[in-house]
Amino acid sequence: EDQVTQSPEALRLQEGESSSLNCSYTVSGLRGLFWYRQDPGKGPEFLFTLYSAGEEKEKERLKATLTKKESFLHITAPKPEDSATYLCSARVTGGGNKLTFGTGTQLKVEL
Amino acid sequence: DTEVTQTPKHLVMGMTNKKSLKCEQHMGHRAMYWYKQKAKKPPELMFVYSYEKLSINESVPSRFSPECPNSSLLNLHLHALQPEDSALYLCASSQDGNGYTFGSGTRLTVV
Repeated sequence: EDQVTQSPEALRLQEGESSSLNCSYTVSGLRGLFWYRQDPGKGPEFLFTLYSAGEEKEKERLKATLTKKESFLHITAPKPEDSATYLCSARVTGGGNKLTFGTGTQLKVEL
Repeated sequence: DTEVTQTPKHLVMGMTNKKSLKCEQHMGHRAMYWYKQKAKKPPELMFVYSYEKLSINESVPSRFSPECPNSSLLNLHLHALQPEDSALYLCASSQDGNGYTFGSGTRLTVV
């Protein structure tokens, strides 16, 4: 069974304290690894798509990387406005357009 | 236009009511989705329309009925819902499995 697992469940950082969120996946064949940011009561906002091991993408303070077993979302010098739930999801071979989501990491950045 | 628009934003309905949720996109995406999200949980796929062909999650009860009038519009018809169906209902669209775009959701409360 295809599975996506995120850790930690929750993370509290001080402003400027860099850290990484982990997404490990066990799937039959990866056709895309997606990162989203979700604010409370809102829909997920697309951040990155990664397709192959070794791929990296950056946007402002965020950098996503991919290996054959996991993906990391690195947050450099976070600010309070980076507080949100970060969701990882995978599109797999034979799954059509379906995304399999992890349970998310709830990030809080404090002053 | 790079948005998925969902209406209404909030809906309160009784268990005997019939209501509909609406979703619209003008990005030319040929796949549209309905997801259900409970608090502090990841989104769960309910239905997919790909090139106007329906795929369903067989665990979704028949009191939820999707409709895709054309490639830009997606409806979710609700009938005889239960209080446990209260959740955030998200619409999304994509083209060839890339860059899923979510709407901001409809917060549904069943009383």
